[in-house]
Amino acid sequence: DTAVSQTPKYLVTQMGNDKSIKCEQNLGHDTMYWYKQDSKKFLKIMFSYNNKELIINETVPNRFSPKSPDKAHLNLHINSLELGDSAVYFCASSQGPNLGQPQHFGDGTRLSIL
Amino acid sequence: QKEVEQNSGPLSVPEGAIASLNCTYSDRGSQSFFWYRQYSGKSPELIMFIYSNGDKEDGRFTAQLNKASQYVSLLIRDSQPSDSATYLCAGNYGQNFVFGPGTRLSVLP
Repeated sequence: DTAVSQTPKYLVTQMGNDKSIKCEQNLGHDTMYWYKQDSKKFLKIMFSYNNKELIINETVPNRFSPKSPDKAHLNLHINSLELGDSAVYFCASSQGPNLGQPQHFGDGTRLSIL
Repeated sequence: QKEVEQNSGPLSVPEGAIASLNCTYSDRGSQSFFWYRQYSGKSPELIMFIYSNGDKEDGRFTAQLNKASQYVSLLIRDSQPSDSATYLCAGNYGQNFVFGPGTRLSVLP
């Protein structure tokens, strides 16, 4: 009974391709996040949705587009992949967006661009 | 720019010792802080969170928050080799969440 699940776990693709990563949580949380962790292991927030509404949109290229069909799902679509997009992408969820609710992370998607 | 700073380490301690991990933050508006542990190749897992000034204990772990000095620390008592991991400090700023770069801890048997 995985709490936050991401697919795929590994993604190897060529520069210029378009790819999607899916995330689902069964914790009943209202808020979901996408993080990028680069080769230096720095974890940086990209997007956050609360009840399907975008609440955090950090400075990321507009090639990255999140979509939340319902509050249990948050997908990430990436257009025209570049070498610098290689990283581990983590999905996370929390009960709510305020007052620092603890976040629960998925296992990550390791994206490698050839 | 809201920042959370940590010494990247590695911090090496012998088994059974106390490991002390420190974190400083730049924004006094931050309300709460979290410590996550991340094993190599794995996802971050929450260890503790702290909202109020002072100490909070949970088993072998103690989180300390000093809002006046803007630092947070994590003490691990009786360190075990299985505690060897990267420890991430994170601060909440309203709806935003900022992670520090992490401190790599190595507990030597």
